[in-house]
Amino acid sequence: QVQLVQSGAEVKKPGSSVKVSCKASGGIFSNYGITWVRQAPGQGLEWMGRIIPTLGIVNHAQRFQDRVTITADISTTTAYMELSSLRSEDTALYYCAKDKKYCGSSTCYQSFDHWGQGTLVTVSS
Amino acid sequence: DIQMTQSPSTLSASVGDRVTITCRASQSITNWLAWYQQKPGKAPKLLIYQASSLESGVPSRFSGSGSGTEFTLTISSLQPDDFATYYCQQYNSYSTFGQGTKLEIK
Repeated sequence: QVQLVQSGAEVKKPGSSVKVSCKASGGIFSNYGITWVRQAPGQGLEWMGRIIPTLGIVNHAQRFQDRVTITADISTTTAYMELSSLRSEDTALYYCAKDKKYCGSSTCYQSFDHWGQGTLVTVSS
Repeated sequence: DIQMTQSPSTLSASVGDRVTITCRASQSITNWLAWYQQKPGKAPKLLIYQASSLESGVPSRFSGSGSGTEFTLTISSLQPDDFATYYCQQYNSYSTFGQGTKLEIK
């Protein structure tokens, strides 16, 4: 069955970078996009960006444009999200999620039917 | 960017009640809207996609409607397991979430 397993919690200093991984299983990686969503403590959900690995399509939310890098390794069916220039406001639970349906273009977006367990990133001096 | 506004932010209700949550988009998103349920410490769970399609395995007391800029999630008869936070998500252009509606026990 479909499963997304994320890397473990991280504690980072302000100004540094963090890279979170999301290992996909269940035969989904080649056909669906993987999105990154974050949730600050006690706050709502925030869409950060997504990748469609087989098409090489990557889109980011405008506010993260300069700081986030989303990549994927098809051979290991793993997606990555790297966030740079970390500040305290980046302290959050970071989720990866799988597109519900196949998207074949950069202008197509989806809802998410499977989610990872979340990775807590704490930014503190 | 498309902004999504949910109302109310908090809703108090009792088991058996019929409840409705509204989500408004800052511009038309046709029917590219989803609803999620989230419980504390858990990842969100997809309930409704494409405004009115029920996700597999989700109880039929959940329903969604709307198109364009106004959408609703209705729970026909609240069950104890339904007390949670609900989010709408637009996926017409990039993606954005509403700020959430916390459904509390009255």
